Amino acid sequence: DVKVTQSSRYLVKRTGEKVFLECVQDMDHENMFWYRQDPGLGLRLIYFSYDVKMKEKGDIPEGYSVSREKKERFSLILESASTNQTSMYLCASSFVYGTAEAFFGQGTRLTVV
Amino acid sequence: DAKTTQPNSMESNEEEPVHLPCNHSTISGTDYIHWYRQLPSQGPEYVIHGLTSNVNNRMASLAIAEDRKSSTLILHRATLRDAAVYYCILRDRNYGGSQGNLIFGKGTKLSVKP
Repeated sequence: DVKVTQSSRYLVKRTGEKVFLECVQDMDHENMFWYRQDPGLGLRLIYFSYDVKMKEKGDIPEGYSVSREKKERFSLILESASTNQTSMYLCASSFVYGTAEAFFGQGTRLTVV
Repeated sequence: DAKTTQPNSMESNEEEPVHLPCNHSTISGTDYIHWYRQLPSQGPEYVIHGLTSNVNNRMASLAIAEDRKSSTLILHRATLRDAAVYYCILRDRNYGGSQGNLIFGKGTKLSVKP
């Protein structure tokens, strides 16, 4: 089975902390994605990566950065966490062609206090 | 990017068929139509995709209009477990590299009544 694994299911951090959310996939997918999901706003793309060290901004990149040093791992970084970044964060991966389905992790519920 | 439009919510009765509509009037000739669903407290999961012809799999059927400006996801017999948010998205067959973003909208929240 394809697995997309997010490092934490629940996380509580303090305002101003640097936060790392890790995502690992085991299917050799080129594409990896980070989303946040908030009630009433659906899934919003933060960043995606189409290859090692390659990244593109999504719809809401402000306040976030990403790192992809290895193909299987995609990290989302909150440089200085703020309360408005309290959310559910979802990671996904897929092959690069248009018929490819995306596989999602179970999500990380981040609370910034 | 071509956009999709879906109703915010729909209701169905258990054991009855459900037709979930999606409009994509600006679809390009190389866009695949994908459907995903998100069960409560889970990440989204792939349901089905198609290009021009109707498609069936074990989860659902996808009916695509002849002009491809709309599509319908069909659940033949809704169960309580089908209660979820359903997303219709477009993915270019030729995309790659920096064009490979995967954009979801707000989807349709399907409620299934016993």
